[in-house]
Amino acid sequence: AQSVTQLDSHVSVSEGTPVLLRCNYSSSYSPSLFWYVQHPNKGLQLLLKYTSAATLVKGINGFEAEFKKSETSFHLTKPSAHMSDAAEYFCVVRLLSGGYNKLIFGAGTRLAVHP
Amino acid sequence: EAGVTQFPSHSVIEKGQTVTLRCDPISGHDNLYWYRRVMGKEIKFLLHFVKESKQDESGMPNNRFLAERTGGTYSTLKVQPAELEDSGVYFCASSQVVFGKSGANVLTFGAGSRLTVL
Repeated sequence: AQSVTQLDSHVSVSEGTPVLLRCNYSSSYSPSLFWYVQHPNKGLQLLLKYTSAATLVKGINGFEAEFKKSETSFHLTKPSAHMSDAAEYFCVVRLLSGGYNKLIFGAGTRLAVHP
Repeated sequence: EAGVTQFPSHSVIEKGQTVTLRCDPISGHDNLYWYRRVMGKEIKFLLHFVKESKQDESGMPNNRFLAERTGGTYSTLKVQPAELEDSGVYFCASSQVVFGKSGANVLTFGAGSRLTVL
C-alpha cells in the first residue's frame, strides 16, 4: 500500500540557512509524489511533483526535491530560507485504488523561520 | 481566475447540532473532491464528485455525513448530528479532468473550513 512518512513534525531554521524537510514513501509501484504547502489561512498549494521523469524536481519559490528510489525518499530542500517560507508542508503520494486516484498525505511538517 | 472557495472559514457548534459546509470549485471544473484533517491526524480523502455524480465515496466516515452537488456546480457537506470527533479542517479541491488521468496530476485546493464541535 502507498504511504508517506514525514520524519519531522517541526523544523526550525534561521533566515538564509538551508531547509531540509524529510519524507520517506512506501509504494508497490513507481509512485507519483508531491509536496504541498499551506500558509496560514490559505489553501493547499502545490510546490512540486515527481511523476517518473527527472529525479531532481524543481518547484516554486526556490524549492526542489530529489526522488531517491534506493532510499525511498523524496526530501524537500531549499538553499536559503526566507521568512515567507514559514508554513506547513505536506509530502503526498498518489494512490491508485479501485480505478480511482487519491492523494495520500503525510502528517505534515511545520517550518519555522527565525530572523 | 477565482480559486476554490469554501464557506464558512470557521464554524463552532454544539455536539448534536447540524453544520453544512459549502465548496465552490473553479468554474468549469467537473471534478470536485472533499478531504478532511481531523486534529492531530493526516489529511484524508472523503469523496469525489464528477459533475453531480458521486464517483468515489469510500472515505466517508459514516452516515452522519452527507455530500451533495446538485447541478454539478457547488457542493455541500452536511454533518448531522455532529460529534466531537468531527472537529477538524475540511478541504475541498477541484480539477478540470479526473485527477491522475492524462498527466492531470494537480488538484487546486481551497483554504478549508475549520469545524469545532463542543
